[in-house]
Amino acid sequence: TQLLEQSPQFLSIQEGENLTVYCNSSSVFSSLQWYRQEPGEGPVLLVTVVTGGEVKKLKRLTFQFGDARKDSSLHITAAQPGDTGLYLCAGPTSGTYKYIFGTGTRLKVLA
Amino acid sequence: DVKVTQSSRYLVKRTGEKVFLECVQDMDHENMFWYRQDPGLGLRLIYFSYDVKMKEKGDIPEGYSVSREKKERFSLILESASTNQTSMYLCASSLVLDYEQYFGPGTRLTVT
Repeated sequence: TQLLEQSPQFLSIQEGENLTVYCNSSSVFSSLQWYRQEPGEGPVLLVTVVTGGEVKKLKRLTFQFGDARKDSSLHITAAQPGDTGLYLCAGPTSGTYKYIFGTGTRLKVLA
Repeated sequence: DVKVTQSSRYLVKRTGEKVFLECVQDMDHENMFWYRQDPGLGLRLIYFSYDVKMKEKGDIPEGYSVSREKKERFSLILESASTNQTSMYLCASSLVLDYEQYFGPGTRLTVT
């Protein structure tokens, strides 16, 4: 069974700090997506990474796909209270049409 | 922009009631999904549909049914609501079955 494990599970930081969250699997993924879910809302797609080693930037957010396509990271620079939410990685499992979500990282940025 | 809407943001129902949750997407996506989200359990897939009138069970289909009569609309039905179905219900759609998904705002259902 393919799993996506995210770490840390919870993160509480001060505004202005930098942080990195991780998404790891023992399996290869053809792509990975990152979503952010604000409290009381549905997840919103942030980015898709496809190529091993790929780096994508979205303003203060930097996403990286591991060379072996088994892991990904999300780095936030100078976090702001608006970054507060649940960050989910997700991707398609191989050999099936199933799409799985990671365990999530809940981020709280304090003003 | 993809837009996925859900019929209610908050819903309170009594045990034993039949509950309908509706989801509409405006991007002509083939695929639609229903999830429930509970603290500590993450997103769990209830049912999905890859075409009109076609449906497949997800990981936790027990106690639920679905209907897809039109491409843009996917309904989740709780035949007889129970308290353990109190949850956040999320609808999503996608162009490709195992790729980027677009979610609605969610319905927080409370069954008393």
